[in-house]
Amino acid sequence: QVQLQESGPGLVKPSETLSLICTVSGGSISSYYWSWFRQPPGKALEWIGYIYYSGSTTYTPFLKSRVTISVDTSKNEFSLKLSSVTAADTAVYYCARHDAGGVFRYWGQGTLVTVSS
Amino acid sequence: DIVMTQSPDSLAVSLGERATINCKSSQSVLYSSNNKNYLAWYQQKPGQPPKLLISWASTRESGVPDRFSGSGSGTDFTLTISSLQAEDVAVYYCQQYYDTPRAFGQGTKVEIK
Repeated sequence: QVQLQESGPGLVKPSETLSLICTVSGGSISSYYWSWFRQPPGKALEWIGYIYYSGSTTYTPFLKSRVTISVDTSKNEFSLKLSSVTAADTAVYYCARHDAGGVFRYWGQGTLVTVSS
Repeated sequence: DIVMTQSPDSLAVSLGERATINCKSSQSVLYSSNNKNYLAWYQQKPGQPPKLLISWASTRESGVPDRFSGSGSGTDFTLTISSLQAEDVAVYYCQQYYDTPRAFGQGTKVEIK
């Protein structure tokens, strides 16, 4: 059974860079697409972007100028960097694997990142 | 970009009664070459990640109770819970995977009346 686990700082200062890692276990990161999402408190899910194991990426236009997603196949993990954060970036961040055309069957448990000085 | 709009935002249903959630996409998510609707439904309970219930608009995931069903095509879709159980209290989201950016509806909160 594939499992995903997000990790990283739970508190980031305004204007700094948010950095998270998603570690994949129980299966290989190869041959799949992998996505990042976020969910502000009490709000809906937002898709941030995805990466193929080869390294090709697609980002949501809304965040494209600030987002970088990368993959490390040797460690079976992929990462998210979001620069110049503000309080509006406070959210639970999730990682997930794409399946069957683009649905998300396997998700991490999520990690709350708060942007505050 | 495709925009997903759900209705209602919330609904309260008695135990054992039917709950119906609607989802409308701003453009068709039906791919003509394979006649598949690129539309999924998820259930999210507090403090948990979303759980995939239905893909291809109407294909239930393994292990999902058959009281959950999906229907619709093109731009209009429905998730029906035929007989609401206490464990179905959650927020439900539709999601299109026809194109990027991937988009979710705003969510529908289902509660017990």
